[in-house]
Amino acid sequence: SYELSQPPSVAVSPGQTAVITCSGAKLGNTYASWYQQKPGQSPVVVVYQGIKRPSGVPERFSGSSSGNTATLTISGTQALDEADYYCQAWDNNLVIFGGGTKLTVL
Amino acid sequence: DVQLLESGGGLVQSGGSLRLSCAASGFTFSSYVMFWVRQAPGKGLEWVSTISASGVNTFYSDSVKGRFTVSRDNSNNSLSLQMNSLRAEDTAKYYCASQLPTGIFSVRPMGSWGQGTLVTVSP
Repeated sequence: SYELSQPPSVAVSPGQTAVITCSGAKLGNTYASWYQQKPGQSPVVVVYQGIKRPSGVPERFSGSSSGNTATLTISGTQALDEADYYCQAWDNNLVIFGGGTKLTVL
Repeated sequence: DVQLLESGGGLVQSGGSLRLSCAASGFTFSSYVMFWVRQAPGKGLEWVSTISASGVNTFYSDSVKGRFTVSRDNSNNSLSLQMNSLRAEDTAKYYCASQLPTGIFSVRPMGSWGQGTLVTVSP
């Protein structure tokens, strides 16, 4: 299987836009999902199938993709968005996670 | 509401075995693909295993293949992970998760997660 690469950390000021990328050799042929994990909590999916949001996820979370890179964008970032974010994709029946990105809201 | 409750974690010596369980409620368990995902202390998420809704098809990461076995009992709404030949690097919190019930089936993510159960393997 292939690897998914994420920046280890991203920092943003409150109200600004946070952008977290996920690169992988086969991402252009599949869809990425994104999970948010706050300290001491279980992960929560915030984007799936590249661009869709589960019910209950705020509209400020959006996903996109271009070529072999998937992107999670958080518009109008709030302090409560500070968390670790993981991208995830499929390689046939195998699940792949990115290494995670720690989002800091300054 | 979907509820997933893991149990069975604990301290075990290297080379030993442990069986994790996940009790599911609040949804039609027998219709959902289920997963095990682990997270070593201070580290990222690592997929461990997937089992189809019927239990016929199972998949494993290379790191656990041949040592771990996933199974499910749809009559009792339960998921299990039998872990043998445990190693220090298997030390992690183990989560069970159910597939999100919407979207393209083959790429549906983990929609609901339990709180996890901690497995510690001593060298």
